[in-house]
Amino acid sequence: DTGVSQNPRHKITKRGQNVTFRCDPISEHNRLYWYRQTLGQGPEFLTYFQNEAQLEKSRLLSDRFSAERPKGSFSTLEIQRTEQGDSAMYLCASSGIDTEAFFGQGTRLTVV
Amino acid sequence: AQTVTQSQPEMSVQEAETVTLSCTYDTSENNYYLFWYKQPPSRQMILVIRQEAYKQQNATENRFSVNFQKAAKSFSLKISDSQLGDTAMYFCAFWTSGTYKYIFGTGTRLKVLA
Repeated sequence: DTGVSQNPRHKITKRGQNVTFRCDPISEHNRLYWYRQTLGQGPEFLTYFQNEAQLEKSRLLSDRFSAERPKGSFSTLEIQRTEQGDSAMYLCASSGIDTEAFFGQGTRLTVV
Repeated sequence: AQTVTQSQPEMSVQEAETVTLSCTYDTSENNYYLFWYKQPPSRQMILVIRQEAYKQQNATENRFSVNFQKAAKSFSLKISDSQLGDTAMYFCAFWTSGTYKYIFGTGTRLKVLA
């Protein structure tokens, strides 16, 4: 296992388009997290899965954002009708029971 | 609500010297974990060190050690014998089974000078 994998690494999209990001966690990890990070800031929590169940979603997340984790394996994060304010690095992390979070390299989204 | 505060936006240190990064947190939980993560420029975040709140002994990992003061809710990171490769953003993070999410501070940008 090579760690948490995120695709694509970079995405440039026009305002109003939909985008989807994928995260493949470490295989034995049952917890999966999505965070958003803007330049010079710390990661900001978006949502959390335990296995396939989405247990928490940040109030900061508008209904344009949706995440899934079918069968408790990989996860996708979709942003509909993108806005310039959505430009950020989107980080995925996974963890096991009582372990630290392991992060992927992130997907950098630029909305033009 | 839990919060994590890092009051030093930027720091610099000479190569081979020692530097301490500060972190304070606020929580009403008794059992939790604290972490320091390192994020080099344009690279992924990696764990530096972790501390379980129930352990009184401060964690150490080679050149990295923490000063965990539970009563004061303080969790500082000491880097000894600083190396150029230590140049990065450092984030303090908090986790509890009460919420299951990691809460991060705003980070400290550390630059190691040759």
